[in-house]
Amino acid sequence: AQKITQTQPGMFVQEKEAVTLDCTYDTSDPSYGLFWYKQPSSGEMIFLIYQGSYDQQNATEGRYSLNFQKARKSANLVISASQLGDSAMYFCASRDTGGFKTIFGAGTRLFVKA
Amino acid sequence: NAGVTQTPKFQVLKTGQSMTLQCAQDMNHNSMYWYRQDPGMGLRLIYYSASEGTTDKGEVPNGYNVSRLNKREFSLRLESAAPSQTSVYFCATKYKNTGELFFGEGSRLTVL
Repeated sequence: AQKITQTQPGMFVQEKEAVTLDCTYDTSDPSYGLFWYKQPSSGEMIFLIYQGSYDQQNATEGRYSLNFQKARKSANLVISASQLGDSAMYFCASRDTGGFKTIFGAGTRLFVKA
Repeated sequence: NAGVTQTPKFQVLKTGQSMTLQCAQDMNHNSMYWYRQDPGMGLRLIYYSASEGTTDKGEVPNGYNVSRLNKREFSLRLESAAPSQTSVYFCATKYKNTGELFFGEGSRLTVL
């Protein structure tokens, strides 16, 4: 069964600095996908970035990058040059081989300080 | 484009009452999902529908039923609501190429 672990309930970062949000995953599927979603205080879920298990390069989307270490089963999210608007909950998620189930971690709340 | 639309946005029920959460999508996606979100527990999958005419249990299906009425609509029913079902419920659809989920705005349910 898939499992996602996010060990940081809350994180603080100074504006304009980089921050890493940790995520480890556990799956026996040979093919899987890893995702990060952002949930601002308004409540909507926003897709940030995707990494396929066979992708050779780490995924990047603007200020977001995914530090994918397959051997360690980690998929950490790196946000560069943090902005006040980055303050939100961040969820790591994984999709199984069949592609039908996406399982989420408990989330990390990020606070960006001015 | 409306994307994924959930109704109602807010609902208060008494223990034992029933209700149905409606979800409709105009993205032409095959797969649809119902999640619940509770503090400190992230999103947990209740039920999903890989395609029209099929439904499957997720992580926390007890106390819920679903119906995939057609490709556009996927409803979640609480037959006899319990306080433990107080939560925020999200409907989502999946883009098949990457598995990215598109979410509705959420429905906040309180069971007294």
